[in-house]
Amino acid sequence: DTGVSQDPRHKITKRGQNVTFRCDPISEHNRLYWYRQTLGQGPEFLTYFQNEAQLEKSRLLSDRFSAERPKGSFSTLEIQRTEQGDSAMYLCASSSTSGGPGEQFFGPGTRLTVL
Amino acid sequence: GQQLNQNPQSMFIQEGEDVSMNCTSSSIFNTWLWYKQDPGEGPVLLIALYKAGELTSNGRLTAQFGITRKDSFLNISASIPSDVGIYFCAGRNSGAGSYQLTFGKGTKLSVIP
Repeated sequence: DTGVSQDPRHKITKRGQNVTFRCDPISEHNRLYWYRQTLGQGPEFLTYFQNEAQLEKSRLLSDRFSAERPKGSFSTLEIQRTEQGDSAMYLCASSSTSGGPGEQFFGPGTRLTVL
Repeated sequence: GQQLNQNPQSMFIQEGEDVSMNCTSSSIFNTWLWYKQDPGEGPVLLIALYKAGELTSNGRLTAQFGITRKDSFLNISASIPSDVGIYFCAGRNSGAGSYQLTFGKGTKLSVIP
C-alpha cells in the first residue's frame, strides 16, 4: 500500500494522559499536514511541514499540542494533558511539489476518544 | 476556524438520478478541491480545480471553479449506491504562501436503490 498510513487507528485515553500519533506520508512526498475533524464538521488545519521544517501552525494548535517531522519522512503529533474537547479524528495528509498545487492526499485518520 | 458554506447539508436521491451540490466562500480561493469521505475513513480526493471558470470531469463527476473564485460546484450524474458518503469542498488561497486547506461542513449523500 503506497498511501498515507496512520497509527494507531483508534485511541482511547483518560483525561490528563499524553498521547502520540504517527503518520507515514506517501513515499517521496515532501509536504505533510495535520488536520483535526470533529463530528459533523469538515477537517480543520493544524500544521504543515515541508521536509523537516514546520512552516505553518494554526491557532487551534495550543501549547499542549506538538508536532515533529525529524527526518523529513514520518511525523508524530503529541497531545499532552488531554482534555475531553480533544476527542476528534486526527487526519494526516501529504503532497509533493511535483503534483498539482493544493492536492493533498489523506490517510485513514486516528480516532481519539478522551474519557 | 473559517469554514466554507456547503449546500445542501444532506440529500436523499433515487439511484440513477443526477446530483448537484455547491460551495461558497466570502474569501477568494485560487484552488478548489472536492473530496469524498466514507465513515471512519479519511477524505479521498475526487477533483482539483485551478482556474476560474474551469470545468473538470472525473468519470461521472463534474466540478466547476466559479468565475468569482468564491464558489465551486460538483455534479454527479447517474448516481449509484457506492456514491453514498459525505462530499467536502476545500479551498486554498496560496496568495499568502499558505498551504492549508479550508473545508466546508460537507454534503451527506444517500442513494436509495
